Amino acid sequence: QQQVKQSPQSLIVQKGGISIINCAYENTAFDYFPWYQQFPGKGPALLIAIRPDVSEKKEGRFTISFNKSAKQFSLHIMDSQPGDSATYFCAASDLAAGNKLTFGGGTRVLVKP
Amino acid sequence: DGGITQSPKYLFRKEGQNVTLSCEQNLNHDAMYWYRQDPGQGLRLIYYSQIVNDFQKGDIAEGYSVSREKKESFPLTVTSAQKNPTAFYLCASSIKYRETQYFGPGTRLLVL
Repeated sequence: QQQVKQSPQSLIVQKGGISIINCAYENTAFDYFPWYQQFPGKGPALLIAIRPDVSEKKEGRFTISFNKSAKQFSLHIMDSQPGDSATYFCAASDLAAGNKLTFGGGTRVLVKP
Repeated sequence: DGGITQSPKYLFRKEGQNVTLSCEQNLNHDAMYWYRQDPGQGLRLIYYSQIVNDFQKGDIAEGYSVSREKKESFPLTVTSAQKNPTAFYLCASSIKYRETQYFGPGTRLLVL
């Protein structure tokens, strides 16, 4: 099974708050887990990514937490800003099998000022 | 200016017509990908190519065709066999055997 399940579908957070988005996968061959940010009418842009040999990766206000045994990973956006309002996608791929990304359904985040 | 360009930005297809979406990259990337995005949904892989003159089907290849005659170009043809072509089409590229895929700005295809 190649599915990646993402939740919630949407969330509203106050400026300065924390946004948390969760993803779960089934294919144990997946070994690369990126998060993409997409603004309306634009292509997705890579935000942050993790390999399964680490449990957490932080870049600025964005942190990925990874739980290999549970086959789950999450994105935390700290100190959320109105400019963070966008749709966020988790994805997963098996690099040895051609790096074909399997995407979650997306989470629309709205940060209220 | 390095990057991925897609054209046109909007494309209208008539019933029974084949249309071709352009994707060009000047990043010297080996691998190129085509994804389809439906409203409120994630991206799904249509075709991908790891090397010139070679490409493989993705999860939803039916009704689509591609070619990879040049390293920098990976055009996608939406054929008349694709009965529900209305979507946002995204092209991506990456260095071979490297993880990061970079996306173009997309082409929105609408049916008249």
